[in-house]
Amino acid sequence: GNSVTQMEGPVTLSEEAFLTINCTYTATGYPSLFWYVQYPGEGLQLLLKATKADDKGSNKGFEATYRKETTSFHLEKGSVQVSDSAVYFCALSGSGGGADGLTFGKGTHLIIQP
Amino acid sequence: EPEVTQTPSHQVTQMGQEVILRCVPISNHLYFYWYRQILGQKVEFLVSFYNNEISEKSEIFDDQFSVERPDGSNFTLKIRSTKLEDSAMYFCASSVPERGKLFFGSGTQLSVL
Repeated sequence: GNSVTQMEGPVTLSEEAFLTINCTYTATGYPSLFWYVQYPGEGLQLLLKATKADDKGSNKGFEATYRKETTSFHLEKGSVQVSDSAVYFCALSGSGGGADGLTFGKGTHLIIQP
Repeated sequence: EPEVTQTPSHQVTQMGQEVILRCVPISNHLYFYWYRQILGQKVEFLVSFYNNEISEKSEIFDDQFSVERPDGSNFTLKIRSTKLEDSAMYFCASSVPERGKLFFGSGTQLSVL
């Protein structure tokens, strides 16, 4: 079945540091890939997505590229801010139509220190 | 901005009791979901709901679980006889048909004692 593996946290960085959160997946067919973010006390929010190989999703300075050859979708940001502190979830959806359930990773807690 | 709301934010119950978790999805959305996250583990898909019926469910969603959209605005998850291992954060979500773009509520923390 489908599965997502992402790096364990917490990840602690200083402000303006470069961020990478690794995500790899196992899936049949051609899944779509997502990063969701959860700020304290809030629900998960879609951060970015990519629907096919070599697509790059980007939003709020974050980027991730769909790499089929390495089955990866690593999240990167060039210069993080304190406000980026949150839990980040990598996810995939199946290649079927309709209300696919998303398969999530465990989440990576990111802490940015001033 | 429209949002998905969940009530209560925390629910404590005794093992064997029935609980109902409530959600109000975004009004023009068509698909509705329940997910859960046991502490320290992955966010797990439970069920999706479309056109007044379940469209997909996971192995976790056994006969103890049921969902309902009783009045066109609320979307509920019922656990008939709670077990200790049902303790988790339960997230409701809704979407229009754009794959993977779900809008989540902030969750209900269920503690079964």
